[in-house]
Parts: sequence; structure tokens; C-alpha cells
Amino acid sequence: SQQGEEDPQALSIQEGENATMNCSYKTSINNLQWYRQNSGRGLVHLILIRSNEREKHSGRLRVTLDTSKKSSSLLITASRAADTASYFCALNTGNQFYFGTGTSLTVIP
Amino acid sequence: NAGVTQTPKFQVLKTGQSMTLQCAQDMNHNSMYWYRQDPGMGLRLIYYSASEGTTDKGEVPNGYNVSRLNKREFSLRLESAAPSQTSVYFCASSDSYNEQFFGPGTRLTVL
Repeated sequence: SQQGEEDPQALSIQEGENATMNCSYKTSINNLQWYRQNSGRGLVHLILIRSNEREKHSGRLRVTLDTSKKSSSLLITASRAADTASYFCALNTGNQFYFGTGTSLTVIP
Repeated sequence: NAGVTQTPKFQVLKTGQSMTLQCAQDMNHNSMYWYRQDPGMGLRLIYYSASEGTTDKGEVPNGYNVSRLNKREFSLRLESAAPSQTSVYFCASSDSYNEQFFGPGTRLTVL
């Protein structure tokens, strides 16, 4: 499968701490995207990194991409209770998207 | 702008019944997608439409059909529902394989 694999599956941290989640994949990609899903809701796009980029920032989010290792990481700094959600990486290989299995993040106030 | 809308929000079917899930977007996007999400799993692509008039199979197309009615609308049909199709179904749209915008989902239970 070209599906991304994320780790950890679940992560619990205190408010104010940083959260890091990782995505590994097997195929060549055009870009890699990260999405957030609050319980019972649709997915919301967070950030996109192209295959020729190594790092990207957006507010409290930092994404890295290592195409030689076929891996990406998402760092959320200074976490807040409102960051509690599931986070998914999505691989774009052209016409199609392949989603990872997700990391469930709980931020304890 | 409503973004991506889906109907219905909830549906219960009996095995063998048919139904159509509706999706519409008002962002003038070329590409539209149908995914299913099962508990504890990521999304899996069922079908996609790269542009009006074209549709292609995704990762898990068996048991489903789609219609790209026009640029705005993309429907998913279950001809003979099976319990294995119990899932949450999401529609999404995007422009040039960038950010996808998702609808709120349809929770389908097949008894």
C-alpha cells in the first residue's frame, strides 16, 4: 500500500508542551499535506510541503520532509487544549491522495 | 460560500438497498473526491473526478459508482448495500492537487 504510516498512534501531552508526529511512506510524491480532524467532523487542511521543499512553517506548525528517507514530521509548538484532535498526513502522487492512519493528540489543560 | 456540502448527514440502510450520497462544492474546483473512513483508520479513496466529465477508481471502488453531474456536483451510489459499507463517507474538492476542502461527512449504517 502507498498509504502513509504515522507514529505515534496516540500522544498525550500537557498544555504548553510541544507535540511531534511522524509520517513514513513508500512511494514518490508530488507533495505531502497534513490535516486535522476534530471528533465527528470533516478534515481541515493545515499545511502543504512540496517534494522539493525540506521545511515549512505556518504559525505554531513546523513541517519537515525528507524524501530520501520518505518521511515527514509535524511539530506543533506551545500546544493548547484546542489542539486536541486527530492528525493525518496525506500523500499526493498526482491524481490521487493517500492518507495515513492518523495520530490522536490529547492536550491536557 | 458554503464550501463543500453533503447530504444526507445520517442514513440507515438494510442489506441490499440502494442509495445515493450527494456532494456539491461552490469553490469552482476542478477535482472532487469520495473517501470512506472506518474506525481507527485514515481515509481511503473510493473514486475521484479530476475534471468535469471524468471519473476514475481510487483505492477501494468495489460496490460503488459515481457520477460527476457537472462541475459543482459529484454523487456516490451504492447499488446494493452491504454491512461492510458501514462507514463515514467524506466528499472533498481541490484545485490542482493542492489543499483539499472536506464536507462534514455522511454516517452510513448498513444492517
